Amino acid sequence: DQQVKQNSPSLSVQEGRISILNCDYTNSMFDYFLWYKKYPAEGPTFLISISSIKDKNEDGRFTVFLNKSAKHLSLHIVPSQPGDSAVYFCAAMIYNQGGKLIFGQGTELSVKP
Amino acid sequence: DAGVIQSPRHEVTEMGQEVTLRCKPISGHNSLFWYRQTMMRGLELLIYFNNNVPIDDSGMPEDRFSAKMPNASFSTLKIQPSEPRDSAVYFCASTLLQGWTEAFFGQGTRLTVV
Repeated sequence: DQQVKQNSPSLSVQEGRISILNCDYTNSMFDYFLWYKKYPAEGPTFLISISSIKDKNEDGRFTVFLNKSAKHLSLHIVPSQPGDSAVYFCAAMIYNQGGKLIFGQGTELSVKP
Repeated sequence: DAGVIQSPRHEVTEMGQEVTLRCKPISGHNSLFWYRQTMMRGLELLIYFNNNVPIDDSGMPEDRFSAKMPNASFSTLKIQPSEPRDSAVYFCASTLLQGWTEAFFGQGTRLTVV
């Protein structure tokens, strides 16, 4: 059973526009959520996170929104840049479970010039 | 710090052979994770250790898979015997158990079993 789901395998946007990546989860015990970015032939790198006590966290061009009632989070990238082209993984955890991250399947973002 | 170091970067082996993947976590980190990346399931957690002790191995797909962490600076993931369906990219990650920060990943080992 997939506890964290990213239903869009790919997304293509124009440079300068907004990219919206979506993620759904099923386990209501999750209380911390993260987004990782992965380039080919590299390991995933941390991008941004949000605690369940918040509904929004912003870091520069990146904003993560959390809707606990819908068990849904999204990552907004504004404006999108060609260098943002990568696979984005959503992850969830229960904070006191020793850092155990459960990941989604990933969404491949392509930002076209 | 050099980050999480995995070896080898690429491994090609024949079906039935034993494969050992290696990981050196970031110095001072006391949690270590092994993940497998597949198209269908994304990054799938196989096993994780806290303070060198295996905490949860429920993600290990079969008894052919085993993992050890003999000390704080080294871990192995072994597959014996290997099968073609084990072909994937395997990642190791580490983090701090207390005062948790994000997990840091190695560059991965691409395993191909022919």
